[in-house]
Amino acid sequence: AQSVSQHNHHVILSEAASLELGCNYSYGGTVNLFWYVQYPGQHLQLLLKYFSGDPLVKGIKGFEAEFIKSKFSFNLRKPSVQWSDTAEYFCAAGSYSSASKIIFGSGTRLSIRP
Amino acid sequence: DAGVIQSPRHEVTEMGQEVTLRCKPISGHDYLFWYRQTMMRGLELLIYFNNNVPIDDSGMPEDRFSAKMPNASFSTLKIQPSEPRDSAVYFCASSGGTRNEAFFGQGTRLTVV
Repeated sequence: AQSVSQHNHHVILSEAASLELGCNYSYGGTVNLFWYVQYPGQHLQLLLKYFSGDPLVKGIKGFEAEFIKSKFSFNLRKPSVQWSDTAEYFCAAGSYSSASKIIFGSGTRLSIRP
Repeated sequence: DAGVIQSPRHEVTEMGQEVTLRCKPISGHDYLFWYRQTMMRGLELLIYFNNNVPIDDSGMPEDRFSAKMPNASFSTLKIQPSEPRDSAVYFCASSGGTRNEAFFGQGTRLTVV
């Protein structure tokens, strides 16, 4: 069955700390992978995406994610977080070969202590 | 394009009343999704359409919920009768082509009192 798992429900960090949020997926065939961010009171916005090519993907605001096919993972990273990164982060997967529904993970809430 | 447009942004209604949420997807997108987000359950996929046809409604919680997509530019999610536990933020999203990137609307915050 198709699924996306996010291991951390709530992560609390201090400013300038490094961040890594885990994401594993189970999806038949070649996948597109996404990270979305939802700032408090706002809608989900695309942070970065992987379709093919370089497995290290760089997104907005200094975020990056690495696609590791052998581990079915697409972890999100940022070397130094800021208070403004406080948000909920969602990993998602969809089929590469055809448009279809996108499977979202349960989300990870990130709280940054100023 | 103005993006995915949802209306209303906020809705407060009394228990037992009918509620209709509206969504206009991005022009040219052939997939439309309705999600519900609550603190307890997180982000839940309720139903999605492809080319105006409902493909999977297994996430619709009860028969009180129904969704339609009469044409490519409009969809509705109806709750009848509404109950306090339906209070949530309802998001509509659309995607198109083979890239599957979903674009979300601003959401409708529904409060049933």
